Amino acid sequence: NAGVTQTPKFQVLKTGQSMTLQCAQDMNHEYMSWYRQDPGMGLRLIHYSVGAGITDQGEVPNGYNVSRSTTEDFPLRLLSAAPSQTSVYFCASRYNAGTVVSGANVLTFGAGSRLTVL
Amino acid sequence: ILNVEQSPQSLHVQEGDSTNFTCSFPSSNFYALHWYRWETAKSPEALFVMTLNGDEKKKGRISATLNTKEGYSYLYIKGSQPEDSATYLCALNTGNQFYFGTGTSLTVIP
Repeated sequence: NAGVTQTPKFQVLKTGQSMTLQCAQDMNHEYMSWYRQDPGMGLRLIHYSVGAGITDQGEVPNGYNVSRSTTEDFPLRLLSAAPSQTSVYFCASRYNAGTVVSGANVLTFGAGSRLTVL
Repeated sequence: ILNVEQSPQSLHVQEGDSTNFTCSFPSSNFYALHWYRWETAKSPEALFVMTLNGDEKKKGRISATLNTKEGYSYLYIKGSQPEDSATYLCALNTGNQFYFGTGTSLTVIP
């Protein structure tokens, strides 16, 4: 199993450019989420989804869009990148809360995507 | 926004020492408390998920306890080994949202 796959691993953008960070999982997890990790701060939730067609905002959603057209994929879009969006981004997935499967509740993380906006 | 605090921020111990860290969280909206281990250049990996007040979990030399009434969890490592060196994250899960602490960075000196 590949688990959670994120692409690209590294990206440099100029202010105002757009891009999409890809996240795919092959574990049939309903729940998928995006986090950003900044120095001195914990992982902060950007957006999450509890199933295809359903998305919701997390703690820091501004400047980011998401969609969930399939169970497997949860792309994160930056429509007009800003230097404040320079960060390391992690995608994570799990079964939905309340699922009675051993180990269902833990998050499985991707390898991360380092984004620099100049 | 819910504030999850971890202490200490960093810790250096000698191989063989036992150590413990604290995670403090607001008791309101509690669904579960997660612990993750994060090695440099890797992704966070789950250690424990705890849901009930008084829960104790153990995996090898690592164990954790939970007090939801007062809003804290302890992570213990018995007989630290160099391979235990990592950042240990706790996260408050309120159902569909997760609030992570900034982590405790552990360095075990051989």
